[in-house]
Amino acid sequence: QSALTQPASVSGSPGQSITISCTGTSSDVGGYNYVSWYQQHPGKAPKLMIYDVSNRPSGVSDRFSGSKSGNTASLTISGLQAEDEADYYCNSYTSSSTYVFGTGTKVTVL
Amino acid sequence: EVQLVESGGGLVKPGGSLRLSCAASGFTFSSYSMNWVRQAPGKGLEWVSSISSSSTYIYYADSLKGRFTISRDNAKNSLYLQMNSLRAEDTAVYYCARRVSGTKGFDYWGQGTLVTVSS
Repeated sequence: QSALTQPASVSGSPGQSITISCTGTSSDVGGYNYVSWYQQHPGKAPKLMIYDVSNRPSGVSDRFSGSKSGNTASLTISGLQAEDEADYYCNSYTSSSTYVFGTGTKVTVL
Repeated sequence: EVQLVESGGGLVKPGGSLRLSCAASGFTFSSYSMNWVRQAPGKGLEWVSSISSSSTYIYYADSLKGRFTISRDNAKNSLYLQMNSLRAEDTAVYYCARRVSGTKGFDYWGQGTLVTVSS
């Protein structure tokens, strides 16, 4: 199972919006509404930000939103803040009943 | 408060074995599917294995090729990962993660335990 494809880096200024893409296949992203997104700060464990494509766990800011079109899912961060600077990973359930993570995107707040 | 605490990591020689544990508390462990996820130094996340609440369904990443075995003891609120025939490329921080009830995301993660495979 190949990793889902994410851009290596995305940057934006405070207050701006950025979008991170996550491209898979019809056997994972395109086949199920089971895409989740994780934020990871250096030296810390990942944190769930979005599940089931667009659902936010309680406690996660509504500045984070998710969507999907075909084999590509997206995470949008609006009103970018300094604390949003981190690595972000998408994840999808697959047709083999396994999971696959994306390659990861480093978000930089300029 | 939900807590997941991994242990058992350390330095092991190539070809050796190691058993990781994950102690769960703050929730009804026996009601949740659990997972292991690893992260090599400076690299991305890699899903390793999952086990359903009653151990009925177990899945592994293809890359492991039968070297790892996931298990759980609901009476002890513990998750395990037996790792055999370890290779240098297995060097990573290993996280246990709880699957969100009723769906597929991972909502709680431990702090991770470092496994280093080196001679």
